[in-house]
Amino acid sequence: EVQLVESGGGLVQPGRSLRLSCAASGFTFDDYAMHWVRQAPGKGLEWVSGISWNGVTKIYADSVKGRFTISRDNAKNSLYLQMNSLRAEDTALYFCVKVLRSWYSGMDVWGQGTTVTVSS
Amino acid sequence: QSVLTQPPSVSGAPGQRVTVSCTGSNSNIGSTYDVHWFQQLPGTAPKLLISDNSNRPSGVPDRFSGSKSGTSASLAISGLQTEDEADYYCQSYDSSLSGYVFGTGTKVTV
Repeated sequence: EVQLVESGGGLVQPGRSLRLSCAASGFTFDDYAMHWVRQAPGKGLEWVSGISWNGVTKIYADSVKGRFTISRDNAKNSLYLQMNSLRAEDTALYFCVKVLRSWYSGMDVWGQGTTVTVSS
Repeated sequence: QSVLTQPPSVSGAPGQRVTVSCTGSNSNIGSTYDVHWFQQLPGTAPKLLISDNSNRPSGVPDRFSGSKSGTSASLAISGLQTEDEADYYCQSYDSSLSGYVFGTGTKVTV
């Protein structure tokens, strides 16, 4: 069964850091680009960051550029999101997402998400 | 502020056909980038409904169909069922932003 399981969320104070992890199973992880997508409480979906299959290409939404870093460890079938200088507006449910085929294809597998709450 | 605009809500009676529009620009939908559609049931993760403008992944009922024309795309749901009540999002890539974008989301009520 294809599965993505996020972890690492929690309550953190503004300005602090948090690292999210995503464990992938059931597919050849290093064949696919991966993304992080978030959803603030009661709001819509917002793409956060994406990384190519080999980790060479990394792209970010303007709202997190310079603060968040995406990475992957293909040997461990894992995706990460290092979040620094967190703000209240980063509060959201963070989803780890796999692409269907190529860089621009749809996102076909979603984890259940991990909740990040930024508050003092 | 999303660059892909959807109507906040759409409603229809069981058995009817409804459409959800997604309006973009020449830097996203109007370019070579495909549009994908997602269904999000309450309290669950989004599910890929339509990929590459009009392709249904395995397991998606053929009541769902997608199309793209110019700078807009549409999702059609025919034979509306109560279990189709959900939020629907379009998604594409934007060359001006150098990143992916989601639509504002549409709540479909049956």
